[in-house]
Amino acid sequence: DAKTTQPTSMDCAEGRAANLPCNHSTISGNEYVYWYRQIHSQGPQYIIHGLKNNETNEMASLIITEDRKSSTLILPHATLRDTAVYYCIVRGRSYNTDKLIFGTGTRLQVFP
Amino acid sequence: DTEVTQTPKHLVMGMTNKKSLKCEQHMGHRAMYWYKQKAKKPPELMFVYSYEKLSINESVPSRFSPECPNSSLLNLHLHALQPEDSALYLCASSQVAGWGDTQYFGPGTRLTVL
Repeated sequence: DAKTTQPTSMDCAEGRAANLPCNHSTISGNEYVYWYRQIHSQGPQYIIHGLKNNETNEMASLIITEDRKSSTLILPHATLRDTAVYYCIVRGRSYNTDKLIFGTGTRLQVFP
Repeated sequence: DTEVTQTPKHLVMGMTNKKSLKCEQHMGHRAMYWYKQKAKKPPELMFVYSYEKLSINESVPSRFSPECPNSSLLNLHLHALQPEDSALYLCASSQVAGWGDTQYFGPGTRLTVL
């Protein structure tokens, strides 16, 4: 079963920051938070991952709370091409725990 | 380069046909995966190959038969499928399996079973 809870859908105006929350209250100490997105009918695209420190790359920033029970993915300047389903996934790093178990995700709609 | 390619993009087959899906990566990854995604649902893991050996089968029916001929190539052989097997089939790869390495996905094959 997925170990994360995300809002079903969110809207964001183009050019504004999109902040996508994820709750993972049962995360264990050695589990990572991964974010993927899936644009309609395409394969999932890796965005970013982190353990406990905040992370930033060319696509997004990941903010993880100090207790690690929740995180927020930030797309700093959303564009129409960012419209997609965003999946927050918790996974471990041992043989049977590194599976990607997708939840239902958040459908982000970016509008002009 | 994090490209995983899949062919064909679309496939329509009858219930008595035999067909194959192909996945290829040239990133030197030694783990490859098959996922199935039904309409409006998240992807679900089917198989994991690690160093060309099948390491995980998520109780997938035998009408789906995976094959990993070499470290760059992954096939999924299909035989006697049912209409409910219609889905998007996704391939992914990672450096190794079992260490939480990032998985990179291909664009998928949209399969329709008539």
